[in-house]
Amino acid sequence: EIQLMESGGGLVQPGGSLRLSCAASGFTVNTNYMNWVRQAPGKGLEWVSIIYNSGGTFYAASVKGRFTISRDNSKNTLYLEMNSLRPEDTAVYFCARDHSSGSFDYWGQGTLVTVSS
Amino acid sequence: DIVMTQSPDSLAVSLGERATINCKASPSVLHSSNNKNYLAWYQHKLGQPPRLLIYWASTRESGVPDRFSGSGSGTDFTLTISSLQAEDVAVYYCQQYYSVPRTFGQGTKVEIK
Repeated sequence: EIQLMESGGGLVQPGGSLRLSCAASGFTVNTNYMNWVRQAPGKGLEWVSIIYNSGGTFYAASVKGRFTISRDNSKNTLYLEMNSLRPEDTAVYFCARDHSSGSFDYWGQGTLVTVSS
Repeated sequence: DIVMTQSPDSLAVSLGERATINCKASPSVLHSSNNKNYLAWYQHKLGQPPRLLIYWASTRESGVPDRFSGSGSGTDFTLTISSLQAEDVAVYYCQQYYSVPRTFGQGTKVEIK
């Protein structure tokens, strides 16, 4: 059974850092494209970042230069390192796997990040 | 970036009636090399992760009830729920995966009238 489980969310002050994890089971993260998507309170879904099976990465303009996506093949885990956090980064963060088509077929339950003083 | 615009923002439909959600992409998400539309639809219920319903604009994901259907091509797409059930109350999003950033529409909230 394919599962994704995020962790690492919490309360952080503006300007602070946080690392999110997404542990995968039932498939290997390094043979798939993997994504982070977020949803701010009362808002819609916003795509954040992708890591390709080649290791290449891409970011939304709103997080470029502050967030870094990576993976640990030995732990079959996806990460999102978030630096210089802003109140507008407050959201539930989901990890999601690319379907063969490019849509997202499996999602984690999400982890809440709150940026506030 | 490709901009995805959904309409309406919300709609209320009676049980058993049809619900129709529109999505406009700008520019087109039709790839000329394979004649496929790089568009997906998701259902998002409160407290749950989003669920993939439709990909390639009209292909139903495994396990999705056949009352859900997708249509359209190029820039204009539609998600139809043919006979609304109580469990269909959710926010629905279209998404393009033609290019990065992989943008979503703003969402359409579906409620029971």
